[in-house]
Amino acid sequence: DAGVTQSPTHLIKTRGQQVTLRCSPKSGHDTVSWYQQALGQGPQFIFQYYEEEERQRGNFPDRFSGHQFPNYSSELNVNALLLGDSALYLCASSLGGDMVFGPGTRLTVL
Amino acid sequence: KQEVTQIPAALSVPEGENLVLNCSFTDSAIYNLQWFRQDPGKGLTSLLLIQSSQREQTSGRLNASLDKSSGRSTLYIAASQPGDSATYLCAVKVNQAGTALIFGKGTTLSVSS
Repeated sequence: DAGVTQSPTHLIKTRGQQVTLRCSPKSGHDTVSWYQQALGQGPQFIFQYYEEEERQRGNFPDRFSGHQFPNYSSELNVNALLLGDSALYLCASSLGGDMVFGPGTRLTVL
Repeated sequence: KQEVTQIPAALSVPEGENLVLNCSFTDSAIYNLQWFRQDPGKGLTSLLLIQSSQREQTSGRLNASLDKSSGRSTLYIAASQPGDSATYLCAVKVNQAGTALIFGKGTTLSVSS
């Protein structure tokens, strides 16, 4: 079992661009959550998807949106990138009390 | 609003020392508390999960305690090794329905040989 996988590993974008990050959950997990971790900070909850719908959302602007597919994989989209969006984006999949984090995608906005 | 604080922010110890990392949270109404390890630039590895009804959990050289009424948890690492060098994050889950975790900023541990 590969656990949670995320792609790409690293990404460099410029201000104003749009980006899509992808996450494949651990086999058997049906819920995907996304977190943003700025340098030197703890992860901040962005949103969670279950049954292809956004179930819970943290304090992030509408520029951050997502999607969950029928196979439970998920995408995180960020529009109109700002310098402050530079961070490690972590995906976590879960089923009941079992939660597993992926390795993250490092996004740099120039 | 739930806030999680971790002290100290950084810690350096020689190999073999026992050490304690601290985590405090402002609202005692939590569902569970979890300790994670994060290597530089990497994802999170769950170390220990303590349910709100539990007082402690142990795994190998690691022991985590929870005092919900005082809003505190500690992670005890026995006989530290250079391989323990990493950032340790504490996170609380505030309810069962959602799985949103609220994290502290972490304690960066360096164990020298």
